[in-house]
Amino acid sequence: DAKTTQPPSMDCAEGRAANLPCNHSTISGNEYVYWYRQIHSQGPQYIIHGLKNNETNEMASLIITEDRKSSTLILPHATLRDTAVYYCIVPSIQGAQKLVFGQGTRLTINP
Amino acid sequence: ETGVTQTPRHLVMGMTNKKSLKCEQHLGHNAMYWYKQSAKKPLELMFVYNFKEQTENNSVPSRFSPECPNSSHLFLHLHTLQPEDSALYLCASSQVLSREADTQYFGPGTRLTVL
Repeated sequence: DAKTTQPPSMDCAEGRAANLPCNHSTISGNEYVYWYRQIHSQGPQYIIHGLKNNETNEMASLIITEDRKSSTLILPHATLRDTAVYYCIVPSIQGAQKLVFGQGTRLTINP
Repeated sequence: ETGVTQTPRHLVMGMTNKKSLKCEQHLGHNAMYWYKQSAKKPLELMFVYNFKEQTENNSVPSRFSPECPNSSHLFLHLHTLQPEDSALYLCASSQVLSREADTQYFGPGTRLTVL
């Protein structure tokens, strides 16, 4: 698995954009970047994934640098319900993916 | 609601008990996973089943015994557990067609307490 590095915690004001960085400098050319989040004591929730191009869905946007060594998850208008631990993961290349969860970034949205 | 259900949601058991955790997915997926999340620690992958065949055992002690009778159901049989096995046990499923499609969907978890 490509190792990922994320800041342990971040704060963001409600209604503002939350930008969560992730470094994955050892990512190989055909490995995807996935983002999940875990709200306290619940199962992780898939957010978005990407390979090279920027991606957007109803939850978030994913910006991947041209060299693919880092990415940023953007929550455009953060709400209190977005308070969670956010995980950036580069799964191993095998038939059924093995997700290796690190410590993630604990994002706190403040009113 | 992710389409993955787990029962029971909470379980308290003694060290000599035998119990089972159940996971069911309603998504038509062909891979299922067990994860363990202890307090203050990251999720740890325990087992992976792909088309009912176990493809990963992440050095899990034999007191945890998985069973996957079909692609929709996954069990985790527990016996002679230790208090340090108390944790949130999470089930997930995914559709292994191509790597891009292999997003995992998680159930709500079973909170296990071993006395």
